[in-house]
Amino acid sequence: DGGITQSPKYLFRKEGQNVTLSCEQNLNHDAMYWYRQDPGQGLRLIYYSQIVNDFQKGDIAEGYSVSREKKESFPLTVTSAQKNPTAFYLCASSGRQETQYFGPGTRLLVL
Amino acid sequence: KNQVEQSPQSLIILEGKNCTLQCNYTVSPFSNLRWYKQDTGRGPVSLTIMTFSENTKSNGRYTATLDADTKQSSLHITASQLSDSASYICVVSRFNAGNMLTFGGGTRLMVKP
Repeated sequence: DGGITQSPKYLFRKEGQNVTLSCEQNLNHDAMYWYRQDPGQGLRLIYYSQIVNDFQKGDIAEGYSVSREKKESFPLTVTSAQKNPTAFYLCASSGRQETQYFGPGTRLLVL
Repeated sequence: KNQVEQSPQSLIILEGKNCTLQCNYTVSPFSNLRWYKQDTGRGPVSLTIMTFSENTKSNGRYTATLDADTKQSSLHITASQLSDSASYICVVSRFNAGNMLTFGGGTRLMVKP
């Protein structure tokens, strides 16, 4: 898991509720990423940020939002617009053109 | 379309046996290929990385091969251990695409005593 932490490990969301997943890294990496993992499927990119105060949509950004106010932090908000949020969410970070290092993940469940 | 296909989807082997996992990709232009190991409920951990010019790379009991002409890679696990039970994910990056990656769906390996 390197120097990347994600919290909480499990998160429960009620219908219509926004929830925020935390991702922090102490690797001094410029780039950070959020992925969604569903059973039997490859990881899909939600959002990424290559520098502080800048971020870009990935392949499945609808229903999600992010911020990058600090180099170390890249929180992901799952909004009520995301109709199928149940999944395993992985945060990653990388130096320039380097291997991505992943956090331990957050499993989001809908009540 | 940039895709990464892995086979088999799942595999069960006995402890001590060898196995080989396959990865085919259509990602272009190719930059490098990585194999990750993901334990259940954990984040993926990098095992190997290979560039266009590398044919084979080892990491302990793990040996990855790459054939850039046929766009195929394999991960060979020697003398399997119970701790090898995990999903193995093949990941390909495109040249000049920043650090954007294309992930395979993974092979779930179970090693039984």
